[in-house]
Amino acid sequence: AQSVTQPDIHITVSEGASLELRCNYSYGATPYLFWYVQSPGQGLQLLLKYFSGDTLVQGIKGFEAEFKRSQSSFNLRKPSVHWSDAAEYFCAVGKIQGAQKLVFGQGTRLTINP
Amino acid sequence: ETGVTQSPTHLIKTRGQQVTLRCSSQSGHNTVSWYQQALGQGPQFIFQYYREEENGRGNFPPRFSGLQFPNYSSELNVNALELDDSALYLCASSFLDRGTGNTIYFGEGSWLTVV
Repeated sequence: AQSVTQPDIHITVSEGASLELRCNYSYGATPYLFWYVQSPGQGLQLLLKYFSGDTLVQGIKGFEAEFKRSQSSFNLRKPSVHWSDAAEYFCAVGKIQGAQKLVFGQGTRLTINP
Repeated sequence: ETGVTQSPTHLIKTRGQQVTLRCSSQSGHNTVSWYQQALGQGPQFIFQYYREEENGRGNFPPRFSGLQFPNYSSELNVNALELDDSALYLCASSFLDRGTGNTIYFGEGSWLTVV
């Protein structure tokens, strides 16, 4: 069965500092991998996705993620965070074929210190 | 903006009642999925519709049902509401081509409170 683990429930970083959010997945085949961001009371906004090819994926808002098959990881990074990045971040895994059921992690809440 | 619109944005229902939530998919998308997100949790897959037929279901009871219409809009119906059904319900749309999927876009969600 598919599963996603986001080990950090809550992370606090200072504005301007670098950020890395961890995501580990369990899946029996080549997965689709996604990072979504959710502001309070809002829906999910797609930050970036990995389907195939280059394992370093660039997304919106200056985010990037690296797919490491050997470690079953898809960590999200940003070199310098802004106060507006404070939100909940979700990693998700899906099937390439058939029903596009996404399995989400529990989320990581990001707080930015001024 | 994802082009996926949901209504209503907020509603309050009484335990035992029925609710219908609506979703308009992004133009050109033929697949719609529904997710339930309880407070403090990640979204959980309820089911997916492709070309008006259910095409995958998560671990939700039959009182959760849905429809997809020819224009690819969709409804989520929940009967016999329970307090634990209180959650944010997210609609997502995508284009499924010959079994291979694509990016999934989410709407802003409908907040359901059951009292």
